[in-house]
Amino acid sequence: GESVGLHLPTLSVQEGDNSIINCAYSNSASDYFIWYKQESGKGPQFIIDIRSNMDKRQGQRVTVLLNKTVKHLSLQIAATQPGDSAVYFCAENKDSGYSTLTFGKGTMLLVSP
Amino acid sequence: EAQVTQNPRYLITVTGKKLTVTCSQNMNHEYMSWYRQDPGLGLRQIYYSMNVEVTDKGDVPEGYKVSRKEKRNFPLILESPSPNQTSLYFCASSPLTGPNQPQHFGDGTRLSIL
Repeated sequence: GESVGLHLPTLSVQEGDNSIINCAYSNSASDYFIWYKQESGKGPQFIIDIRSNMDKRQGQRVTVLLNKTVKHLSLQIAATQPGDSAVYFCAENKDSGYSTLTFGKGTMLLVSP
Repeated sequence: EAQVTQNPRYLITVTGKKLTVTCSQNMNHEYMSWYRQDPGLGLRQIYYSMNVEVTDKGDVPEGYKVSRKEKRNFPLILESPSPNQTSLYFCASSPLTGPNQPQHFGDGTRLSIL
């Protein structure tokens, strides 16, 4: 089975609820942030991104909020569905220039019908 | 279909036996990267490449090699695998040099080194 979910914080919601997944990032100089969804047995899948010159960005059923003052990122999922059950990762462009994304450890979202 | 393809998907092998995990993308992306994913540690970057013949170390490069002889392929080489390299490995690519683009991930390769 998939062991990625071990040791992860877990958010359990009912179908139809709104979900909020939080992420604290480490570098105040980070200028790009991204959320990924990872389903069991699959690679991370891009959900939404945001640059540091924005506070909020909306996609289809998802919204990302960026609070640079407290170095906090959140992902809001509206009308959560069982298919949203997965591990969600935030990532930041921690280094300046062309280097790497640094990923958080993830949050598992469990959606009950 | 645009995709990142890794092979093999699963491999069990023994300490010291050289192995290569292949990664190929069909999106003409310049940037490619390898990550390992371990419980409690999340995704950590091993190596990345900004273009052909250009590779750089990520956060955990020890024990790994990569090459980028052509744009579409970015193999990960374990010359002498050890049990601490047992992990789930992901290859990713993105369309421009630099990380400020969403990276597209393969479905992973689970390696077990006995």
